[in-house]
Amino acid sequence: AQTVTQSQPEMSVQEAETVTLSCTYDTSESDYYLFWYKQPPSRQMILVIRQEAYKQQNATENRFSVNFQKAAKSFSLKISDSQLGDAAMYFCAYRSSNNNDMRFGAGTRLTVKP
Amino acid sequence: DSGVTQTPKHLITATGQRVTLRCSPRSGDLSVYWYQQSLDQGLQFLIQYYNGEERAKGNILERFSAQQFPDLHSELNLSSLELGDSALYFCASSVESGHPTDTQYFGPGTRLTVL
Repeated sequence: AQTVTQSQPEMSVQEAETVTLSCTYDTSESDYYLFWYKQPPSRQMILVIRQEAYKQQNATENRFSVNFQKAAKSFSLKISDSQLGDAAMYFCAYRSSNNNDMRFGAGTRLTVKP
Repeated sequence: DSGVTQTPKHLITATGQRVTLRCSPRSGDLSVYWYQQSLDQGLQFLIQYYNGEERAKGNILERFSAQQFPDLHSELNLSSLELGDSALYFCASSVESGHPTDTQYFGPGTRLTVL
């Protein structure tokens, strides 16, 4: 079964600085999708960025970018120019191309210091 | 705002009771997914419906059931509730089912407290 591991329960970053959140996953599949979701105190799950495994190019969404290393099964999220509104729980998620069961990591709580 | 709505926002009930959580997907989305987020288990996929039919099943207990209606809204029924069922229940929706560009958009969740 696929598992997703986020080894950093908590991270902290100074406002305007850059922070990287780690995620690794375990799978025997070659085709799959990876996601980062943000959960602010409101508890709403918000899609931050997605990556298709067949694409070599790393996905980018404004200040958010990923470092996707397929061979290493690593999918880290980089947040540039951190803002106070970025403070939230961040969840890494894996979805197989064969089914719709999305597996989530345990989450990383990001604190942004002014 | 993702466009997915869930009601109620909060629900407090007693052990042994039965509750129904409701979800309306984004306009045009045919798939609905249910997730449970608890402190000890994290975020877990429960079940998925696509255009009225069950499509995938995850870690859903036998005491729980769901359905999707012709207007595409979905309900999650939780019965014989136990203290451990206290959690945040999320509904998500997507356009299709398993399409390569399919992305799930989450609702605001229903907080269930079982006393």
